[in-house]
Parts: sequence; C-alpha cells; structure tokens
Amino acid sequence: DQQVKQNSPSLSVQEGRISILNCDYTNSMFDYFLWYKKYPAEGPTFLISISSIKDKNEDGRFTVFLNKSAKHLSLHIVPSQPGDSAVYFCAASARTGSNYQLIWGAGTKLIIKP
Amino acid sequence: NAGVMQNPRHLVRRRGQEARLRCSPMKGHSHVYWYRQLPEEGLKFMVYLQKENIIDESGMPKERFSAEFPKEGPSILRIQQVVRGDSAAYFCASSPTGQGGRTEAFFGQGTRLTVV
Repeated sequence: DQQVKQNSPSLSVQEGRISILNCDYTNSMFDYFLWYKKYPAEGPTFLISISSIKDKNEDGRFTVFLNKSAKHLSLHIVPSQPGDSAVYFCAASARTGSNYQLIWGAGTKLIIKP
Repeated sequence: NAGVMQNPRHLVRRRGQEARLRCSPMKGHSHVYWYRQLPEEGLKFMVYLQKENIIDESGMPKERFSAEFPKEGPSILRIQQVVRGDSAAYFCASSPTGQGGRTEAFFGQGTRLTVV
C-alpha cells in the first residue's frame, strides 16, 4: 500500500529548462511534505519542505507546490543545472502518537542533459 | 562538525550470520532514525530512538531485527541470522529534536548490506 507515489522513475531535462517532479499521496492525514535529493553512494539531503497550510514554498531555484484537493505536490527547478542530476524523493509526514513518521516515495531520477 | 557517520559502508554476510550496523549521529543530536531502502524502492522507516530509549519501532520486522542507542557510543542496528531478503541499503538519520519526521533530518551515507 503505497501512500506516497512518485510515478515517474526517471525524467530527462535539458540544461537551463524547467524540471518538474511530481508526487501524489493518498493519506489525508499528511500535513507536512519534504523533498530530499540523493546522489549515488550518499545519503539523502534535505531540499525543501511545505506545510499543508500553504500551497507554495520557494527557495532559490526550487519551488514546491501543494494541491491538497488533488493530494498532489510538485517540485519545480528553474533553471535546471547539471548538478541537479540526482534522485529526488518526496516524503510525507503524519503524526503517529507523540512522533512524526515520514513516508517516502520511491524516487525520481532526474537527468540534466547539457 | 562531522556529519552522521555510518560504518561499515559495505558489509557482506553469509546467510545465517549476524550483521551489525553502526551510526554515530551529528554532534548534539540525540534522536536517531533508521531506514531501509530496497532496490527500486523508497526509504522505509524502521525505528526511531533517543538515548537509551526506543521511541517508535513500528517499522521493524518482528523477528531477527533489533536496535539500540546506548548512553555512550553509536546507535547499533543488529540483524540476526540474515537472509538474502535483508540485502539492502540501510540509512541512519539524526535530528536535534524529536521532529525528524517534521523538519530536516541529516542522513549518513548508508551501509550497503549484501547477503550471499
């Protein structure tokens, strides 16, 4: 039962263009969403997050959009750079007792072409 | 300030042996999370620990797996009598507060376990 889905295993984008990574979720109890970036042989690193009370959060070249009615969020990277080539994970947070547990998507491999 | 340190980076075990994975959190972080990543899948939460306490182990298999975070020393994820299905990348993350599912958590480089 995948509560967080990243339906595109990979995405190829020309350098300088916009990269759009998508994420869908099923659990309406999720109220906080995070994007992590992962290079090969390294652990994930935090990129950007958004609370469910917002519909947009921007940080430099990275913007996350949240559509709660559609249970959908997306990460936009503009302009895309070669160093952005990595696997991007979407994660959703829900409270479990006194703790917040993260549920992760399977990731999307982003390839930036020169 | 060193990041989250995991060792070993690669571990090969024969079926039936024990695997011990170590994680030293970032300095000042007392909250540790273990995740497992199977091939072609996302990270799966296993366990959340504070010093000397297991807070949430809802993601841990009921048998053969255990975790600890002693007062002194690293957190240990222990897998007894390993099977081929245990082959995966195991990631540890730490955070300064118990909000590791809410705010940024810092990940180690992972331990890749291969069971032969």
